[in-house]
Amino acid sequence: SQQGEEDPQALSIQEGENATMNCSYKTSINNLQWYRQNSGRGLVHLILIRSNEREKHSGRLRVTLDTSKKSSSLLITASRAADTASYFCATSSGYALNFGKGTSLLVTP
Amino acid sequence: DTGVSQDPRHKITKRGQNVTFRCDPISEHNRLYWYRQTLGQGPEFLTYFQNEAQLEKSRLLSDRFSAERPKGSFSTLEIQRTEQGDSAMYLCASSLSDRDDYGYTFGSGTRLTVV
Repeated sequence: SQQGEEDPQALSIQEGENATMNCSYKTSINNLQWYRQNSGRGLVHLILIRSNEREKHSGRLRVTLDTSKKSSSLLITASRAADTASYFCATSSGYALNFGKGTSLLVTP
Repeated sequence: DTGVSQDPRHKITKRGQNVTFRCDPISEHNRLYWYRQTLGQGPEFLTYFQNEAQLEKSRLLSDRFSAERPKGSFSTLEIQRTEQGDSAMYLCASSLSDRDDYGYTFGSGTRLTVV
């Protein structure tokens, strides 16, 4: 079942702008992860935030987690055309990750 | 080690035929997962192996689907009597149980089209 739900479904910005995507989930989690998928390819792991963490950074990525609201956000700063992809949040509560439907990000030059 | 490999990349089959996909995970990864993804959707979990043991199966995995991971190395996913609804991208991923921070490493997938 797909527990996570990303918002917005689609986002279009210009190079240099920041992109923010949100994820909401329903049940308790061990951790929450964000993945990127370029068209027709496999997913690439971006960042993991544990349930006892509130914020994490990796390069141009910033992830927040609010377990009381069961939500997370992914911020990509200073976006580039190469950031164009679908972004998925995934929650872990057992063995397997459960993915949302994703946010499709388009970054135009 | 070049990551997770899946074979074939594309498969077109006639309805009713059987198909088998192969996944070669990263060699030191003891966990292996199969997911299915349809257009516009996120990956849906199918099954999970820890070494050679199949520890979890989704109810999406009907009795026409079977997966194996002999000797805890490569894995195969077989679909018997394929239906048009089986058309999807089948993704394999692997991970190391004590390195959760690295998440999953996915293969490029096998795209199945049932005609």
